[in-house]
Amino acid sequence: DTGVSQNPRHKITKRGQNVTFRCDPISEHNRLYWYRQTLGQGPEFLTYFQNEAQLEKSRLLSDRFSAERPKGSFSTLEIQRTEQGDSAMYLCASSSEWGQVAFFGQGTRLTVV
Amino acid sequence: RKEVEQDPGPFNVPEGATVAFNCTYSNSASQSFFWYRQDCRKEPKLLMSVYSSGNEDGRFTAQLNRASQYISLLIRDSKLSDSATYLCVVRGAMDSNYQLIWGAGTKLIIKP
Repeated sequence: DTGVSQNPRHKITKRGQNVTFRCDPISEHNRLYWYRQTLGQGPEFLTYFQNEAQLEKSRLLSDRFSAERPKGSFSTLEIQRTEQGDSAMYLCASSSEWGQVAFFGQGTRLTVV
Repeated sequence: RKEVEQDPGPFNVPEGATVAFNCTYSNSASQSFFWYRQDCRKEPKLLMSVYSSGNEDGRFTAQLNRASQYISLLIRDSKLSDSATYLCVVRGAMDSNYQLIWGAGTKLIIKP
């Protein structure tokens, strides 16, 4: 296990379609975070899990976004009825429960056309 | 006021020069502080944690000023490869679930 893995790396979709991204965290990490980043901005928090429990979800996250981490290992982020404004880099990060440092995957770049 | 604020730059600096930038945070109960580096179209990567007494890693020095609620990053003898965006990250307290709060980043361009 060399780090956090995200798939796919790139996704182009038509407006209105649903997309799903996957994140495999570092195996011993029980905290998993999803962020969104647009050009010139820092990562924007979306949600995070401790094991399988979703502990916090950003108020900015619309109902079209849902995330799961069913077995406390990998996580999926689904966006329903995509809009052009959803175009961004979606980053996943993981950390141990008591560790302070988050490690990122390479991200999934979403383009909605 | 944003929880974590950084000067977006860009800072245009000649190679070999020393450059420093700050990051201010609003929550005095914040627990931990970090600098991440992000290259264009890449994921953020940890550069260094920031300790209360200040810490150094090669050409990089990080400082924390709790009284004034800012952290700083100093880069000495800058290299072309230091060109990147530097993101300040603050870990909140228990009331925020120890959430990581990110600045928007400071862009650094090192020129030959």
